[in-house]
Amino acid sequence: GAGVSQSPRYKVAKRGQDVALRCDPISGHVSLFWYQQALGQGPEFLTYFQNEAQLDKSGLPSDRFFAERPEGSVSTLKIQRTQQEDSAVYLCASRLTAGAAPEQYFGPGTRLTVT
Amino acid sequence: RKEVEQDPGPFNVPEGATVAFNCTYSNSASQSFFWYRQDCRKEPKLLMSVYSSGNEDGRFTAQLNRASQYISLLIRDSKLSDSATYLCVLSSGSARQLTFGSGTQLTVLP
Repeated sequence: GAGVSQSPRYKVAKRGQDVALRCDPISGHVSLFWYQQALGQGPEFLTYFQNEAQLDKSGLPSDRFFAERPEGSVSTLKIQRTQQEDSAVYLCASRLTAGAAPEQYFGPGTRLTVT
Repeated sequence: RKEVEQDPGPFNVPEGATVAFNCTYSNSASQSFFWYRQDCRKEPKLLMSVYSSGNEDGRFTAQLNRASQYISLLIRDSKLSDSATYLCVLSSGSARQLTFGSGTQLTVLP
């Protein structure tokens, strides 16, 4: 069955470049989350969408990070002027409903390396 | 202090052993609790939810102590395929976003 997909799976960027990471959630899932996972750490929350509305962006580490979900399905996480500390795996997760069902389904992630 | 604390391990155990992982959390307003499993270079996958009454799923038993803010996972009769990183996770906030511990690495040896 169709799970959460992310592209690209791997991205190498030179410091200072802009990158865009794409997430295709499970069809019909209302909630979409972005997480950042640094090496040897657990994922950390970045931002949350309910349909097209970005309801929580408290985890975004700086104003270089921007996320959107304009039609309430596909989402894009954009990082401007990438820095070495942005190197991490970026995970997208979707959930069927807005609140009640807790389970989030994760995509395979995009591994970003900034050189 | 991190919101979810776990012993990072690694735990290296022989097949058939029983192994226990513990985790403490600091946010008393946390709503739900889980153990996730993450294989190397893969995404996290839900292993089981954790309830105050304790719950069991085959060889896995999870327990939550809200008063002590402590969560545990017990794996009995461990298999080679249990080798992975086990993440202690809680959900909180209006969005019920997940907060993860750093994970405990388990290797089951033949």
